[in-house]
Amino acid sequence: DAEITQSPRHKITETGRQVTLACHQTWNHNNMFWYRQDLGHGLRLIHYSYGVQDTNKGEVSDGYSVSRSNTEDLPLTLESAASSQTSVYFCASSPSGANVLTFGAGSRLTVL
Amino acid sequence: DQQVKQNSPSLSVQEGRISILNCDYTNSMFDYFLWYKKYPAEGPTFLISISSIKDKNEDGRFTVFLNKSAKHLSLHIVPSQPGDSAVYFCAAMGSGGSNYKLTFGKGTLLTVNP
Repeated sequence: DAEITQSPRHKITETGRQVTLACHQTWNHNNMFWYRQDLGHGLRLIHYSYGVQDTNKGEVSDGYSVSRSNTEDLPLTLESAASSQTSVYFCASSPSGANVLTFGAGSRLTVL
Repeated sequence: DQQVKQNSPSLSVQEGRISILNCDYTNSMFDYFLWYKKYPAEGPTFLISISSIKDKNEDGRFTVFLNKSAKHLSLHIVPSQPGDSAVYFCAAMGSGGSNYKLTFGKGTLLTVNP
């Protein structure tokens, strides 16, 4: 079955370290998204991509970067992790023209 | 500036009764609305949606109502079941071009008591 997987599911890191969260989908979806979930804020969009080599900033993109070198993957990189980036991160994907996003199970990141 | 608002952080109802979750939006460019359900330690899952050209969409126990003039939508769950206990997120998508990203509200925690 096609799916969307995130790794790692849990990670603890230190302030200032570079961290990369992986997102891999096997639906061949063109659209991919990264959101973070925080208490009191709901889900906020970090970055998104509508195809290979396309990346766009969301509402909370500072301190994060993404790259899209193929259809299946959209890794999220924290260049220098900060305690404010402690959160649960969700990757999502959708086919071109679709309204419904399908989400992964999430990656819980703790920055100490 | 929050474009999608869920003003009730939590809601508690008895099993078998109706659950009504509310959502307001401010952006007139939104033309498609969705509800997602989220259990702890899992990703959000799509529940039901509605286009701005409709005022109601029904799927089994779940019905979404849209009032465009009031910029308000609601999710009705009838009858409510304990398994419905989860966080419910309202989300909206804008019209035009290649705009396929969702803007979410903060969520409402629904607890259905047996």
